[in-house]
Amino acid sequence: AQSVTQPDIHITVSEGASLELRCNYSYGATPYLFWYVQSPGQGLQLLLKYFSGDTLVQGIKGFEAEFKRSQSSFNLRKPSVHWSDAAEYFCAVAANFGNEKLTFGTGTRLTIIP
Amino acid sequence: ETGVTQSPTHLIKTRGQQVTLRCSSQSGHNTVSWYQQALGQGPQFIFQYYREEENGRGNFPPRFSGLQFPNYSSELNVNALELDDSALYLCASSVNTEAFFGQGTRLTVV
Repeated sequence: AQSVTQPDIHITVSEGASLELRCNYSYGATPYLFWYVQSPGQGLQLLLKYFSGDTLVQGIKGFEAEFKRSQSSFNLRKPSVHWSDAAEYFCAVAANFGNEKLTFGTGTRLTIIP
Repeated sequence: ETGVTQSPTHLIKTRGQQVTLRCSSQSGHNTVSWYQQALGQGPQFIFQYYREEENGRGNFPPRFSGLQFPNYSSELNVNALELDDSALYLCASSVNTEAFFGQGTRLTVV
């Protein structure tokens, strides 16, 4: 069975600084990987996804993620964070293409300080 | 705005009661999945419906059941509520792998 680990429970970053959120997955075959963002009391919004091809994936709101098979990682990055980026971020993996049964990590809470 | 609507937004129930949560999926999406998100945790997959048939189930007991209707809207039913069932319940409708989530229903069991 697939699993996702997000090692950082909480990260604090200054506004304008760069950001990297870590995600490690465990899955035997080609994973289908996602990053979602959740604002307090809200549902999940898809930031980006990786299925195949270019390992650097661009998403919405200026986010990108890089798939590294050798490290079983799919880290999320943003060169300059804004106060509105404060939220909970979830990495997720799906077993099959066309299979939307997602396995989520426990999330990383991002706090932005002025 | 994802086009996925869940109702109610908040609900308080007593232990042992039954609850029904509803989800209207985005137009054209024939797959609906339900997730349970406990406080401070990531969402956990409950089950999925595809064209009115259950299409996979997570590690949840049978007292969690569901339905999908011909218009692809869906219900999640939970019988014999327990305190640990308190959580945010998320519905996601999807087509071609991208899942669109609703705002969720916050269920509190007292």
